[in-house]
Amino acid sequence: DVKVTQSSRYLVKRTGEKVFLECVQDMDHENMFWYRQDPGLGLRLIYFSYDVKMKEKGDIPEGYSVSREKKERFSLILESASTNQTSMYLCASSSPGGFNYGYTFGSGTRLTVV
Amino acid sequence: DAKTTQPPSMDCAEGRAANLPCNHSTISGNEYVYWYRQIHSQGPQYIIHGLKNNETNEMASLIITEDRKSSTLILPHATLRDTAVYYCIVRPLLETSGSRLTFGEGTQLTVNP
Repeated sequence: DVKVTQSSRYLVKRTGEKVFLECVQDMDHENMFWYRQDPGLGLRLIYFSYDVKMKEKGDIPEGYSVSREKKERFSLILESASTNQTSMYLCASSSPGGFNYGYTFGSGTRLTVV
Repeated sequence: DAKTTQPPSMDCAEGRAANLPCNHSTISGNEYVYWYRQIHSQGPQYIIHGLKNNETNEMASLIITEDRKSSTLILPHATLRDTAVYYCIVRPLLETSGSRLTFGEGTQLTVNP
């Protein structure tokens, strides 16, 4: 069964901490995505990557950075966590040339910044 | 990508059919209609997609109008586990490098016992 695995299901961090959210996929997908989801705001795209070492800003990149050193791993970094970054974070992957129903999501990381 | 419009919420009785509508009046010729759903505290899950013909799989049926400006997702016998947010998205069939999937607000379907 194909999988997108997010390293933590729940995470609590302090304001000002540097936070790493890890995502690994085993489908050899080129495209990987980070979303955040908040009540009333739906899923919003933070960053995405279409190749190793490549990254593109999504709709809400401020306060975040990403790293894609290996094809299977896409990391979301909060350089200095703030309380307004408390959210559910979802990672997804897909493959260029593949069908769009090939988007696969992880189970999410619920981050609380205190 | 074409914009979609869905009702914010719907209710359905357990065992009955759930019919979720979606308007996509600006859909272009190469765009498919996709449905995903998100059960609480999980990532979105693909359900079904179609171009112009009706489609059916083990999860649901998709009815697309002849002019392709709207569609309906049908869960024939809804169960409590079908309670989720359902997203209708229109996209080209093939993924391209650098493209991305964006979601609207979706429809919160609540299946009641």
